[in-house]
Amino acid sequence: NAGVTQTPKFQVLKTGQSMTLQCAQDMNHEYMSWYRQDPGMGLRLIHYSVGAGITDQGEVPNGYNVSRSTTEDFPLRLLSAAPSQTSVYFCASSTGVGYGYTFGSGTRLTVV
Amino acid sequence: GDSVTQMEGPVTLSEEAFLTINCTYTATGYPSLFWYVQYPGEGLQLLLKATKADDKGSNKGFEATYRKETTSFHLEKGSVQVSDSAVYFCALSPASGGSYIPTFGRGTSLIVHP
Repeated sequence: NAGVTQTPKFQVLKTGQSMTLQCAQDMNHEYMSWYRQDPGMGLRLIHYSVGAGITDQGEVPNGYNVSRSTTEDFPLRLLSAAPSQTSVYFCASSTGVGYGYTFGSGTRLTVV
Repeated sequence: GDSVTQMEGPVTLSEEAFLTINCTYTATGYPSLFWYVQYPGEGLQLLLKATKADDKGSNKGFEATYRKETTSFHLEKGSVQVSDSAVYFCALSPASGGSYIPTFGRGTSLIVHP
């Protein structure tokens, strides 16, 4: 049982490049979310999904896109990377209220 | 909207000291409450939870009690170890609304010295 798997673990991008952060879970969880973690800012919600085919914006969605074509996968796309997107990104999933979220180990992204 | 407030850190303790990290929340109804722990270089891990008033969550020697009257969920441990050094996050999930997206506090860093 792998839990939540994020790839890559580290990435360096140049300003203006695009990329996709991958997230997959094998627990059949309906709820999935993407967060970014910055020093002194805690966790900020980027996008979330309550099931396959359903996504919505969180607190800081600008510059990011998501899709949820299957229950297992929830990729995060950076459309045109900017230095302000340098951060640690976490994907998380849950089976519903009261159960808490399972987090991946994170992707550390640097935009130069 | 919902919010979670945690005491600011870092909290610095000697090994075997008593730990309290304060957490208060603002939410409608009866949210579920959680504590997560993040070790350096890792993702968050669920430490304990409580889903209704007066419930006590516990795990690995840590405890927290859901206090509706004071809207609090303080984390405690009787005797901390060096290995408990980490960042601790308090969080809540709303009781209704459909998305159950959690709201996190900003985290409290704990440093335990030998």
